[in-house]
Amino acid sequence: GEDVEQSLFLSVREGDSSVINCTYTDSSSTYLYWYKQEPGAGLQLLTYIFSNMDMKQDQRLTVLLNKKDKHLSLRIADTQTGDSAIYFCAESIQNQGGKLIFGQGTELSVKP
Amino acid sequence: NAGVMQNPRHLVRRRGQEARLRCSPVKGHSHVYWYRQLPEEGLKFMVYLQKENIIDESGMPKERFSAEFPKEGPSILRIQQVVRGDSAAYFCASSPRASEGYTFGSGTRLTVV
Repeated sequence: GEDVEQSLFLSVREGDSSVINCTYTDSSSTYLYWYKQEPGAGLQLLTYIFSNMDMKQDQRLTVLLNKKDKHLSLRIADTQTGDSAIYFCAESIQNQGGKLIFGQGTELSVKP
Repeated sequence: NAGVMQNPRHLVRRRGQEARLRCSPVKGHSHVYWYRQLPEEGLKFMVYLQKENIIDESGMPKERFSAEFPKEGPSILRIQQVVRGDSAAYFCASSPRASEGYTFGSGTRLTVV
């Protein structure tokens, strides 16, 4: 079956790096995504990685994909208080159109 | 730079009433997706529509819920005879092609009293 799991909470100090982890079960994932949700708002696409890639870097964001272990991580360098939000990982499944399977979200709290 | 527009932002309905949620996709996007987010949970897929067609409704409850995306006008998610358990945030997303990254709207927060 399709399942995406994330830890629920992460707390870091401003300036530190944050690493948010995600595991998924479906080996036919095509793309894996990271979304950010601020309170009362919709989801903002942060970055995504194609399933045949190992790593993608975009400014302060680094995505690592371990396809063998079905493990995805998002590293935020130099975390700022404005990064406080809920972060969702999601996978798209081959031959299922654009349907995404979301994790339950990791609430990142950045303390000054 | 109009993204996905959802309205209303907040909707309060009494039990037994109907709720109609509207979604205008990004101009030129013909694929629309509806997701539901229950309190403190992730998003759950409900339905995927492409102009005038329902492509995948595997996440829709079998009764009381329906969705459409007419040739002209916004996509509508309709919930008949709402119950307290329907209280949630409903998000719409659109994309120009299937399996391409979405743009999400800001959601409609439905409260059933």
